[in-house]
Amino acid sequence: EVQLLESGGGLVQPGGSLRLSCAASGFTFSSYPMSWVRQAPGKGLEWVSAISGSGGSTYYADSVKGRFTISRDNSKNTVYLQMNSPRAEDTATYYCAKEKVVAVAGTLGFDIWGQGTMVTVSS
Amino acid sequence: EIVLTQSPGTLSLSPGERATLSCRASQSVSSTYLAWYQQKPGQAPRLLIYGASSRATGIPDRFSGSGSGTDFTLTISRLEPEDFAVYFCQQYGSAWTFGQGTKVEIK
Repeated sequence: EVQLLESGGGLVQPGGSLRLSCAASGFTFSSYPMSWVRQAPGKGLEWVSAISGSGGSTYYADSVKGRFTISRDNSKNTVYLQMNSPRAEDTATYYCAKEKVVAVAGTLGFDIWGQGTMVTVSS
Repeated sequence: EIVLTQSPGTLSLSPGERATLSCRASQSVSSTYLAWYQQKPGQAPRLLIYGASSRATGIPDRFSGSGSGTDFTLTISRLEPEDFAVYFCQQYGSAWTFGQGTKVEIK
């Protein structure tokens, strides 16, 4: 069964740090780019960051650039999101998502999602 | 950044009725990179449509997508009880962005 399982969420103080993890199973992990998407309570979806299958390319939303770092360990089938200097507005449920990749066209959407992990930034 | 505006904000319909959801982009979007998702309370989003009109694996054929340029539509031909949820459109230009969502609620 294809599955993503996030962990690492919790309460973090503004200016602190937190690392989220997402363990994948049921597919060839290294073949697929992965993304993090967040959803503030009662709000819509916001793409946060993406990483290529090899880990050699990373991408960030302007709202987190310079503060968050995405990485992956293909030997552990895990993608990470290191959150440094979080702000109150980073409070959200964070989902990892597998990108649906089609040859030539590239990523066409996110076809597998984890259940999410809640991050609360508060003093 | 391309902004996606979904309408209406809330759609109140009865089971068996047809639902038509709109997603309008602030500038032209390649149909290849337009997707739709369904989200139920307490659950992660689920991919319904990619490439503007292709159904994802396991999605019933009552769901269909159409459109091009700046105007896209998700149609649910006959609402089933399990279809009452929030729907988001998504596009990829230089970055992925989502619409704010349309809630389909039971009338």
